[in-house]
Amino acid sequence: DTAVSQTPKYLVTQMGNDKSIKCEQNLGHDTMYWYKQDSKKFLKIMFSYNNKELIINETVPNRFSPKSPDKAHLNLHINSLELGDSAVYFCASSQGFGSTEAFFGQGTRLTVV
Amino acid sequence: RKEVEQDPGPFNVPEGATVAFNCTYSNSASQSFFWYRQDCRKEPKLLMSVYSSGNEDGRFTAQLNRASQYISLLIRDSKLSDSATYLCVVNNAGGTSYGKLTFGQGTILTVHP
Repeated sequence: DTAVSQTPKYLVTQMGNDKSIKCEQNLGHDTMYWYKQDSKKFLKIMFSYNNKELIINETVPNRFSPKSPDKAHLNLHINSLELGDSAVYFCASSQGFGSTEAFFGQGTRLTVV
Repeated sequence: RKEVEQDPGPFNVPEGATVAFNCTYSNSASQSFFWYRQDCRKEPKLLMSVYSSGNEDGRFTAQLNRASQYISLLIRDSKLSDSATYLCVVNNAGGTSYGKLTFGQGTILTVHP
């Protein structure tokens, strides 16, 4: 069983479209994250949720809206996609808030054309 | 100054070599420290946590120097399978960034026969 699963794995879309990435964890963790890894491989946190509450929002454009329907799910919706949004997006979860190991999903490779 | 800074490498070493990676962090109040490993086109995975007294896991040794805000990872007897990107990770403490896992840009290691 995959601990943190995100879908889709690949996403190719045109500029201006709206798309969603889904993430689910079956580890019973309280905290979930979205990270963005750009072409230079730099992993940067976007959002963090703890028990469905938004804790960290790292100066991400308003076009990005996370939604956590329950603590096992953290979805990411992106409006009006831009070329610069092309990256790999990783979902992750951890038991504690930042102090313990984070488990990552396989990543969603988003390409905006 | 970047919050977490690593020498990006790449490091190219022969099998059996010993290689050391360094990392510095800017937030003196940081509480937890980790080394993650990321294989090409895969998600990051925890390699080991880093404790104040230093810790060892087989061929891997991690050290922390809080006074110098410096973390290191030593790999002895390198194997071909050690080829990956090694990410230094720091858990921020205090203020609005509490609990945020911050990643360094990664150090690329290639072990050749």
